[in-house]
Amino acid sequence: GAGVSQSPSNKVTEKGKDVELRCDPISGHTALYWYRQSLGQGLEFLIYFQGNSAPDKSGLPSDRFSAERTGGSVSTLTIQRTQQEDSAVYLCASSLLNSNQPQHFGDGTRLSIL
Amino acid sequence: ILNVEQSPQSLHVQEGDSTNFTCSFPSSNFYALHWYRWETAKSPEALFVMTLNGDEKKKGRISATLNTKEGYSYLYIKGSQPEDSATYLCAFGGSNYKLTFGKGTLLTVNP
Repeated sequence: GAGVSQSPSNKVTEKGKDVELRCDPISGHTALYWYRQSLGQGLEFLIYFQGNSAPDKSGLPSDRFSAERTGGSVSTLTIQRTQQEDSAVYLCASSLLNSNQPQHFGDGTRLSIL
Repeated sequence: ILNVEQSPQSLHVQEGDSTNFTCSFPSSNFYALHWYRWETAKSPEALFVMTLNGDEKKKGRISATLNTKEGYSYLYIKGSQPEDSATYLCAFGGSNYKLTFGKGTLLTVNP
């Protein structure tokens, strides 16, 4: 597609359930990033993919969070046993490799944990 | 922990006013400084990527400057319009891939 696509746009789920968020980056962008924005906070880095590998997972807040990327394209972020503090907007971005290139963001997934 | 600070946190101006915001960042291990505009219910949109000390970039009524030695960047908006209302984010690139974002400046332009 023309831009970064994320789904679902909104997700409401009960505490303890697993959720899966999807990101389809811009074709040809080798770098893919996941961020989240909790209420009143800035954009928090979660994980970075270069192709299918994740050289930097340092931002994942706990072992309940995992992400994968297949075919150098679509990425999924999975949160297991969700907690209320996981409620946030989860944003995906893609770019040509390196921080000298602008990142192109999706519209995000607004996740609410009841 | 990298500190990227933006000020002010929020700003209200009248249509036609010119305004500016500040982003401060570490002055070491600099790769790039990004500015994004994030309108409500939309995705962040890249405004500028600056890499060289002294860089100045312009896009319509919006411009930005960069001082990597002292670790700050200014974003200027000339003749603000209501459609400029958004959160303006800066992001520091301290490596060849990773950006650290500030919390943003929320600009409201009143008609």
